[in-house]
Amino acid sequence: QSALPQPASVSGSPGQSITISCTGTSSDLGSYNLVSWYQQHPGKAPKLMIYEVSKRPSGVSNRFSGSKSGNTASLTISGLQAEDEADYYCCSYAGSTTSPSFVVFGGGTKLTVL
Amino acid sequence: EVQLVESGGGLVQPGGSLRLSCAASGFIFSSYWMSWVRQAPGKGLEWVANIKQDGSERYYVDSVKGRFTISRDNAKNSLYLQMNNLRAEDTAVFYCARGSSSWYPQFDYWGQGILVTVSA
Repeated sequence: QSALPQPASVSGSPGQSITISCTGTSSDLGSYNLVSWYQQHPGKAPKLMIYEVSKRPSGVSNRFSGSKSGNTASLTISGLQAEDEADYYCCSYAGSTTSPSFVVFGGGTKLTVL
Repeated sequence: EVQLVESGGGLVQPGGSLRLSCAASGFIFSSYWMSWVRQAPGKGLEWVANIKQDGSERYYVDSVKGRFTISRDNAKNSLYLQMNNLRAEDTAVFYCARGSSSWYPQFDYWGQGILVTVSA
Protein backbone atom coordinates (compact mmCIF):
# COMPACT_ATOMS: atom_id res chain seq x y z
CA GLN A 1 0.00 0.00 0.00
CA SER A 2 1.41 3.36 -1.00
CA ALA A 3 1.85 6.23 1.46
CA LEU A 4 -1.23 8.35 2.08
CA PRO A 5 -1.03 11.51 -0.03
CA GLN A 6 -0.13 14.72 1.79
CA PRO A 7 0.92 18.07 0.34
CA ALA A 8 4.69 18.15 0.04
CA SER A 9 4.92 21.55 1.69
CA VAL A 10 2.87 24.24 3.37
CA SER A 11 3.89 27.58 4.78
CA GLY A 12 2.52 30.31 6.97
CA SER A 13 3.56 33.37 8.90
CA PRO A 14 3.78 33.52 12.69
CA GLY A 15 0.35 33.82 14.23
CA GLN A 16 -1.45 32.44 11.21
CA SER A 17 -3.22 29.09 10.92
CA ILE A 18 -2.42 26.31 8.47
CA THR A 19 -4.06 23.01 7.64
CA ILE A 20 -2.36 19.86 6.37
CA SER A 21 -4.50 17.28 4.64
CA CYS A 22 -4.09 13.51 4.44
CA THR A 23 -6.12 11.58 1.89
CA GLY A 24 -7.06 7.95 2.24
CA THR A 25 -9.78 5.69 0.91
CA SER A 26 -13.01 4.22 2.18
CA SER A 27 -11.05 1.06 2.99
CA ASP A 28 -8.59 2.66 5.34
CA LEU A 29 -8.72 6.18 6.72
CA GLY A 30 -12.35 6.69 5.78
CA SER A 31 -13.65 3.70 7.70
CA TYR A 32 -11.82 4.03 10.98
CA ASN A 33 -11.26 6.82 13.46
CA LEU A 34 -7.66 5.71 13.85
CA VAL A 35 -5.73 8.63 12.38
CA SER A 36 -2.72 9.99 14.21
CA TRP A 37 -0.32 12.83 13.41
CA TYR A 38 3.39 13.13 14.11
CA GLN A 39 5.77 16.07 14.17
CA GLN A 40 9.41 15.46 13.28
CA HIS A 41 12.20 17.99 13.56
CA PRO A 42 15.38 17.35 11.53
CA GLY A 43 17.48 14.59 13.02
CA LYS A 44 14.94 13.87 15.75
CA ALA A 45 12.45 11.11 16.45
CA PRO A 46 8.80 11.72 15.57
CA LYS A 47 6.47 13.06 18.26
CA LEU A 48 2.81 12.15 18.59
CA MET A 49 0.64 15.26 18.24
CA ILE A 50 -2.86 13.87 17.61
CA TYR A 51 -4.37 10.40 17.94
CA GLU A 52 -7.76 8.85 17.12
CA VAL A 53 -8.44 11.74 14.71
CA SER A 54 -8.78 14.57 17.21
CA LYS A 55 -7.39 13.61 20.62
CA ARG A 56 -4.37 15.45 21.98
CA PRO A 57 -1.80 13.72 24.18
CA SER A 58 -0.95 15.35 27.46
CA GLY A 59 1.58 18.11 26.95
CA VAL A 60 0.72 18.89 23.34
CA SER A 61 -0.36 22.47 22.76
CA ASN A 62 -4.04 23.11 22.10
CA ARG A 63 -2.91 25.03 19.01
CA PHE A 64 -2.82 21.61 17.35
CA SER A 65 -6.14 20.06 16.35
CA GLY A 66 -7.26 17.20 14.15
CA SER A 67 -10.39 16.35 12.22
CA LYS A 68 -11.69 14.01 9.56
CA SER A 69 -14.27 14.30 6.83
CA GLY A 70 -14.95 11.32 4.63
CA ASN A 71 -11.65 9.93 3.40
CA THR A 72 -9.60 13.00 4.31
CA ALA A 73 -8.02 13.80 7.66
CA SER A 74 -6.66 17.21 8.54
CA LEU A 75 -4.21 18.68 11.02
CA THR A 76 -4.66 22.35 11.84
CA ILE A 77 -2.05 24.42 13.61
CA SER A 78 -3.26 27.78 14.84
CA GLY A 79 -1.14 30.69 16.05
CA LEU A 80 1.91 29.46 14.13
CA GLN A 81 5.19 29.68 15.99
CA ALA A 82 8.74 29.33 14.74
CA GLU A 83 9.18 26.04 16.60
CA ASP A 84 6.30 24.51 14.63
CA GLU A 85 8.56 24.35 11.58
CA ALA A 86 9.02 20.63 11.03
CA ASP A 87 7.84 17.68 8.97
CA TYR A 88 4.37 16.34 9.72
CA TYR A 89 3.13 12.82 9.02
CA CYS A 90 -0.34 11.37 9.21
CA CYS A 91 -0.83 7.71 10.04
CA SER A 92 -3.82 5.41 9.77
CA TYR A 93 -4.90 1.84 10.20
CA ALA A 94 -4.62 0.40 6.71
CA GLY A 95 -7.88 -1.50 6.95
CA SER A 96 -6.43 -4.97 7.08
CA THR A 97 -4.16 -6.96 9.32
CA THR A 98 -2.79 -8.74 6.29
CA SER A 99 -1.43 -7.61 2.97
CA PRO A 100 0.03 -5.24 2.25
CA SER A 101 0.24 -3.45 5.59
CA PHE A 102 -1.40 -3.02 8.97
CA VAL A 103 -0.41 0.62 9.27
CA VAL A 104 0.17 3.25 6.63
CA PHE A 105 1.88 6.63 7.03
CA GLY A 106 1.39 9.69 4.89
CA GLY A 107 4.18 10.88 2.64
CA GLY A 108 4.92 13.80 4.94
CA THR A 109 4.49 17.57 4.73
CA LYS A 110 7.23 20.10 5.35
CA LEU A 111 5.90 23.09 7.24
CA THR A 112 7.81 26.33 6.81
CA VAL A 113 7.16 29.25 9.14
CA LEU A 114 7.97 32.37 7.14
CA GLU B 1 10.18 8.63 32.44
CA VAL B 2 9.50 6.45 29.43
CA GLN B 3 12.66 5.55 27.54
CA LEU B 4 13.25 3.44 24.46
CA VAL B 5 16.85 2.81 23.45
CA GLU B 6 17.71 1.01 20.22
CA SER B 7 20.95 -0.82 19.55
CA GLY B 8 22.43 -3.28 17.08
CA GLY B 9 22.52 -1.20 13.92
CA GLY B 10 25.45 -0.77 11.60
CA LEU B 11 26.83 -1.59 8.17
CA VAL B 12 25.98 -4.95 6.63
CA GLN B 13 26.43 -6.42 3.17
CA PRO B 14 23.46 -7.27 0.96
CA GLY B 15 22.13 -10.68 1.95
CA GLY B 16 23.45 -10.30 5.48
CA SER B 17 21.66 -10.25 8.82
CA LEU B 18 21.32 -7.91 11.77
CA ARG B 19 19.41 -8.05 15.02
CA LEU B 20 18.09 -4.80 16.44
CA SER B 21 17.23 -4.48 20.11
CA CYS B 22 15.15 -1.93 21.96
CA ALA B 23 15.49 -1.60 25.73
CA ALA B 24 12.38 -0.16 27.34
CA SER B 25 12.07 1.49 30.75
CA GLY B 26 9.76 3.75 32.69
CA PHE B 27 6.54 1.88 31.93
CA ILE B 28 4.98 -1.58 32.16
CA PHE B 29 6.41 -3.01 28.96
CA SER B 30 4.17 -6.08 28.96
CA SER B 31 1.05 -3.89 28.79
CA TYR B 32 1.70 -2.37 25.37
CA TRP B 33 1.80 -3.28 21.71
CA MET B 34 5.22 -2.39 20.30
CA SER B 35 6.32 -1.51 16.78
CA TRP B 36 9.31 -0.89 14.55
CA VAL B 37 9.11 2.05 12.15
CA ARG B 38 11.84 2.96 9.66
CA GLN B 39 12.86 6.00 7.68
CA ALA B 40 15.09 5.77 4.65
CA PRO B 41 17.53 8.67 4.22
CA GLY B 42 15.62 11.77 3.19
CA LYS B 43 12.35 9.86 2.98
CA GLY B 44 9.18 9.49 5.01
CA LEU B 45 8.18 7.12 7.78
CA GLU B 46 7.33 3.50 7.02
CA TRP B 47 5.78 1.13 9.53
CA VAL B 48 7.66 -2.20 9.54
CA ALA B 49 6.11 -4.52 12.12
CA ASN B 50 4.23 -4.72 15.38
CA ILE B 51 3.69 -7.25 18.13
CA LYS B 52 0.99 -7.76 20.72
CA GLN B 53 1.70 -7.67 24.44
CA ASP B 54 2.12 -11.44 24.78
CA GLY B 55 3.65 -11.98 21.36
CA SER B 56 0.63 -13.92 20.13
CA GLU B 57 0.00 -11.54 17.21
CA ARG B 58 2.63 -10.11 14.87
CA TYR B 59 2.13 -8.14 11.70
CA TYR B 60 4.56 -7.04 9.00
CA VAL B 61 4.60 -4.77 5.99
CA ASP B 62 4.70 -6.86 2.82
CA SER B 63 8.21 -5.79 1.84
CA VAL B 64 9.77 -7.47 4.89
CA LYS B 65 7.56 -10.54 5.27
CA GLY B 66 9.64 -13.70 5.35
CA ARG B 67 12.84 -11.75 6.00
CA PHE B 68 12.22 -9.86 9.27
CA THR B 69 10.96 -11.24 12.58
CA ILE B 70 9.71 -9.10 15.43
CA SER B 71 9.86 -10.53 18.94
CA ARG B 72 9.84 -9.41 22.55
CA ASP B 73 11.02 -10.55 25.95
CA ASN B 74 8.76 -9.08 28.60
CA ALA B 75 11.00 -10.34 31.40
CA LYS B 76 13.82 -8.25 29.95
CA ASN B 77 11.64 -5.30 28.86
CA SER B 78 13.07 -5.68 25.39
CA LEU B 79 11.87 -5.62 21.80
CA TYR B 80 13.80 -7.16 18.93
CA LEU B 81 13.88 -7.15 15.15
CA GLN B 82 15.76 -9.96 13.44
CA MET B 83 16.55 -8.88 9.89
CA ASN B 84 17.73 -11.47 7.38
CA ASN B 85 18.52 -11.32 3.67
CA LEU B 86 18.97 -7.57 3.89
CA ARG B 87 18.68 -5.46 0.75
CA ALA B 88 19.99 -2.05 -0.17
CA GLU B 89 16.45 -0.70 0.08
CA ASP B 90 16.35 -1.66 3.78
CA THR B 91 18.87 1.10 4.51
CA ALA B 92 17.14 3.34 7.02
CA VAL B 93 16.97 4.67 10.53
CA PHE B 94 14.91 2.17 12.51
CA TYR B 95 12.79 3.43 15.39
CA CYS B 96 11.31 1.42 18.22
CA ALA B 97 7.90 2.85 19.11
CA ARG B 98 5.40 2.19 21.86
CA GLY B 99 1.88 1.48 20.71
CA SER B 100 -1.18 1.47 22.88
CA SER B 101 -2.75 -1.09 25.18
CA SER B 102 -5.12 -1.89 22.30
CA TRP B 103 -4.12 -2.69 18.72
CA TYR B 104 -4.70 0.89 17.58
CA PRO B 105 -1.81 2.06 15.40
CA GLN B 106 -0.69 5.10 17.35
CA PHE B 107 2.77 5.58 18.75
CA ASP B 108 3.23 7.81 21.77
CA TYR B 109 6.90 7.22 22.57
CA TRP B 110 9.79 6.66 20.18
CA GLY B 111 13.43 5.74 20.58
CA GLN B 112 16.19 7.91 19.17
CA GLY B 113 16.57 5.63 16.18
CA ILE B 114 19.38 3.39 14.97
CA LEU B 115 20.92 3.47 11.51
CA VAL B 116 21.08 0.34 9.40
CA THR B 117 23.15 0.60 6.22
CA VAL B 118 23.05 -2.20 3.67
CA SER B 119 25.89 -1.82 1.21
CA ALA B 120 28.69 -3.78 -0.36
